[in-house]
Amino acid sequence: LAKTTQPISMDSYEGQEVNITCSHNNIATNDYITWYQQFPSQGPRFIIQGYKTKVTNEVASLFIPADRKSSTLSLPRVSLSDTAVYYCLVGGSGYALNFGKGTSLLVTP
Amino acid sequence: NAGVTQTPKFQVLKTGQSMTLQCAQDMNHNSMYWYRQDPGMGLRLIHYSVGEGTTAKGEVPDGYNVSRLNKREFSLRLESAAPSQTSVYFCASSYSIGMNTEAFFGQGTRLTVV
Repeated sequence: LAKTTQPISMDSYEGQEVNITCSHNNIATNDYITWYQQFPSQGPRFIIQGYKTKVTNEVASLFIPADRKSSTLSLPRVSLSDTAVYYCLVGGSGYALNFGKGTSLLVTP
Repeated sequence: NAGVTQTPKFQVLKTGQSMTLQCAQDMNHNSMYWYRQDPGMGLRLIHYSVGEGTTAKGEVPDGYNVSRLNKREFSLRLESAAPSQTSVYFCASSYSIGMNTEAFFGQGTRLTVV
């Protein structure tokens, strides 16, 4: 499994764009990059997944450079309700989901 | 669609007591998982199942047993609860096993062992 490194915590003000970077130097050819979001007292939920370049959905964007050794989750114009823990998962089929400690994002007014 | 349903939501046990945490999914998923989450520790995999009648150990399996009763249900049993098992337990399911699959989580069971 690819080892991932992401910041333990980040702070932001409402309305700002937040970028959370995840390093995964030993990513394998078949690995995908997936991000989950966990609100307090809830289970994690899938927010976005990508293999290369850029992926965008209604919640976030995921930027993956050509070497795929890192990825950046971008949350546009965050609100207080985006306060959560964000997990970066890297891997392929055959392995159970392996969550690290994630990045705790605090959004303040 | 209920998704993944866990029962109970809260439980207090005395040391040495036993209990079973129930989990059911209605998405026809093949794989199911049990995680525990402790403050500052992220989620750690206890046991998982890739199909009916099969189970496998995860990162922290000691002190826990699981049963994949059928495709819908995956239970977690604590035979003799210990204070170290105080945690929030999450059940999850996915169509197939893989770091690249979308997993759906239940709301969690907050367990306190005194």
